[in-house]
Amino acid sequence: KQEVTQIPAALSVPEGENLVLNCSFTDSAIYNLQWFRQDPGKGLTSLLLIQSSQREQTSGRLNASLDKSSGRSTLYIAASQPGDSATYLCAVSGNQFYFGTGTSLTVIP
Amino acid sequence: NAGVTQTPKFRVLKTGQSMTLLCAQDMNHEYMYWYRQDPGMGLRLIHYSVGEGTTAKGEVPDGYNVSRLKKQNFLLGLESAAPSQTSVYFCASSYSGREVGNEQFFGPGTRLTVL
Repeated sequence: KQEVTQIPAALSVPEGENLVLNCSFTDSAIYNLQWFRQDPGKGLTSLLLIQSSQREQTSGRLNASLDKSSGRSTLYIAASQPGDSATYLCAVSGNQFYFGTGTSLTVIP
Repeated sequence: NAGVTQTPKFRVLKTGQSMTLLCAQDMNHEYMYWYRQDPGMGLRLIHYSVGEGTTAKGEVPDGYNVSRLKKQNFLLGLESAAPSQTSVYFCASSYSGREVGNEQFFGPGTRLTVL
């Protein structure tokens, strides 16, 4: 069974700092990896999707990378803002989707 | 374009009662999914569907049933609710389940409490 781990579970940074969120998975036979943002009491918003044949994807201040062979992905957030405060989840897809438990990010003004 | 919608948003049940959660999507997606989210457990797949008239079990299917009579709707049923089913339920959809087109889009969730 696929296991997805996100470290750290919580992160607090001052506004303007660049940061990296980590996601690791145990089975490299995946179709793709998707990063989501979840605000308290809300649903999941898709941020980036990386197909298994790709190495990275970028959207604005966000950059996600994928290393299938090592079972790792990172989400890089540049110049963090208080509005980035949320929980960030990664999910890998094979026959099913498997989610990590998320990293709760707080950006301090 | 409403995306993925879920009804109801909140519900409180007593042990043994039944209910149905409705998910609707207007993106003409083939695949639909039901997840539950519990503290410290992340999202876990309950059931999913790869097209109208099809359903399949996910990671935690026990105590739930589903139906996909129309392409745009995916129903999740609890026949006899138990306190262990207290959770937040999310519906999602995707164009396909393979490498291309399986980006998932989520609904806002249903918060269910079973007393």
